[in-house]
Amino acid sequence: GAVVSQHPSRVICKSGTSVKIECRSLDFQATTMFWYRQFPKKSLMLMATSNEGSKATYEQGVEKDKFLINHASLTLSTLTVTSAHPEDSSFYICSARSGAGFDTEAFFGQGTRLTVV
Amino acid sequence: GEDVEQSLFLSVREGDSSVINCTYTDSSSTYLYWYKQEPGAGLQLLTYIFSNMDMKQDQRLTVLLNKKDKHLSLRIADTQTGDSAIYFCAETGENNRLAFGKGNQVVVIP
Repeated sequence: GAVVSQHPSRVICKSGTSVKIECRSLDFQATTMFWYRQFPKKSLMLMATSNEGSKATYEQGVEKDKFLINHASLTLSTLTVTSAHPEDSSFYICSARSGAGFDTEAFFGQGTRLTVV
Repeated sequence: GEDVEQSLFLSVREGDSSVINCTYTDSSSTYLYWYKQEPGAGLQLLTYIFSNMDMKQDQRLTVLLNKKDKHLSLRIADTQTGDSAIYFCAETGENNRLAFGKGNQVVVIP
């Protein structure tokens, strides 16, 4: 299947700093990218849907100014956690789709473990 | 909105069948999916079923959909050690989003 690369896989940052996570589709053009947050023993919580060239659509309860999402090209989306706090520590996963149809498979990155100390 | 629930843990002997269940509440879902997450790995789409189907079989995988009860199940025949993972069901909701259930950990005992 297609490959989605997420970087970094792990990051530790100090409280108050910002962290950028990259999500790249390596062998296809991702018209839509999704960002999820996964809590221990819990499901993936969709944070936002990002379409190339337009502003991301955030889910209710997700702070736009805190979780900045940029989808500048068809192969790259970034999530920046601004002014990180310990409660932002989590596992963040991106997903990319090459089309808009429901049957278009979404490919997932390996995830990023963020620890804020 | 979407609300997907799953049971959490299942242990099964190698060679037996395993069944994972999922309920959802969004009756407007068009597609329902099963994803697999192995330790340290990303999510992998296993199969999906269109909402106007009752059953889909794909090699060792059988998906059953009871739309009336909003119940989705995944049966894995001849379960193998490589099937040990967390399985998520997911559904499409508004705006082509994917909403996921809590995940069901399957442990295969040799």
